[in-house]
Amino acid sequence: GQNIDQPTEMTATEGAIVQINCTYQTSGFNGLFWYQQHAGEAPTFLSYNVLDGLEEKGRFSSFLSRSKGYSYLLLKELQMKDSASYLCAVRDYPENTPLVFGKGTRLSVIA
Amino acid sequence: SQTIHQWPATLVQPVGSPLSLECTVEGTSNPNLYWYRQAAGRGLQLLFYSVGIGQISSEVPQNLSASRPQDRQFILSSKKLLLSDSGFYLCAWSLGNTEAFFGQGTRLTVV
Repeated sequence: GQNIDQPTEMTATEGAIVQINCTYQTSGFNGLFWYQQHAGEAPTFLSYNVLDGLEEKGRFSSFLSRSKGYSYLLLKELQMKDSASYLCAVRDYPENTPLVFGKGTRLSVIA
Repeated sequence: SQTIHQWPATLVQPVGSPLSLECTVEGTSNPNLYWYRQAAGRGLQLLFYSVGIGQISSEVPQNLSASRPQDRQFILSSKKLLLSDSGFYLCAWSLGNTEAFFGQGTRLTVV
């Protein structure tokens, strides 16, 4: 089975940097994904990590440590529109296995 | 480019009535298809996934069923809805180990 943990809620200030952590326990590992979900909308893909290290995409970066079962999503220069839930998801082996999602972290960006 | 269509966007159904939600994918062949449900304030729960026509894997035993009559069509059904079936239903697709892309979702309220 799989267990994915992330904080329920976070609050950060506009213009600041925020780090959302995710820890996971899986029998196998075939990639970690981050999604953004605005209230009432479908999740949209943000980033993918399968090897250890940092992946950067503009204001968003994602880090993975497979040995620690740990990932984080880093959001820089926060904007009000970044207020959303951020979902961590893991894929197990074999290929084509569905993503398993954590419960999400609701981020509120305040002025 | 690939697109995913899911309908309807909103649905209000009485307890005991049947359900049929449809999802189609365009611009790709032999996608993996998924149905997830998100209850209010909860994470994404995988309901069904399919790796090919007629191949359905069920993750959660309940009064829902899924079918894949064509390569890019995925249908979620119920013969008799329960109050507990209310939620946000999301169809998604992926290829191999890539990220999953979600449809707009159907918000189902059972009354």
